[in-house]
Amino acid sequence: DQQVKQNSPSLSVQEGRISILNCDYTNSMFDYFLWYKKYPAEGPTFLISISSIKDKNEDGRFTVFLNKSAKHLSLHIVPSQPGDSAVYFCAASADNAGNMLTFGGGTRLMVKP
Amino acid sequence: NAGVMQNPRHLVRRRGQEARLRCSPMKGHSHVYWYRQLPEEGLKFMVYLQKENIIDESGMPKERFSAEFPKEGPSILRIQQVVRGDSAAYFCASSLPGLTYEQYFGPGTRLTVT
Repeated sequence: DQQVKQNSPSLSVQEGRISILNCDYTNSMFDYFLWYKKYPAEGPTFLISISSIKDKNEDGRFTVFLNKSAKHLSLHIVPSQPGDSAVYFCAASADNAGNMLTFGGGTRLMVKP
Repeated sequence: NAGVMQNPRHLVRRRGQEARLRCSPMKGHSHVYWYRQLPEEGLKFMVYLQKENIIDESGMPKERFSAEFPKEGPSILRIQQVVRGDSAAYFCASSLPGLTYEQYFGPGTRLTVT
């Protein structure tokens, strides 16, 4: 049973436009959400996070939105750059589940020059 | 300021051999986590350790797998009698005690069982 789902395995965007990556979750106990970026043959790199008490967090070109009622979060990258091409994973954590992160399956973002 | 270090980066083992994967956390980080990524899948939690303690091993297979984080030295993930299904990328992450949600990952060890 996948508790965190990224339904789009891939996304292609033109350089300079907005990239929107989506993530859905089923466990209402999740209270902290993170986005990681991963290049081939490297480990995931922490990008941005959001607590369940907020609905938006912004860091430079990256903004994460959380809709708790819909159990949905999204990562917006604007403007998109070719260097953003990577696999993006959303992850979630529940305070009552220790410190494990539950990951989605990832979305491969391709930003075309 | 070195990040999380893992070695070896690539490990090839024959079925039945043992695999030992090492992880040195970031400086100042006392919490270590191991995750496994099978091909075309997301990362799956295996085990969470602090120095000399296993805190949560709910994601660890019951047999053949063990992990430790001794007082001195790196954390070790040990897989005995490897099988082909153990072929995967194994990632270690570390965090500060007060920010355990924000985990920083190493480059991973890619284990291939032939």
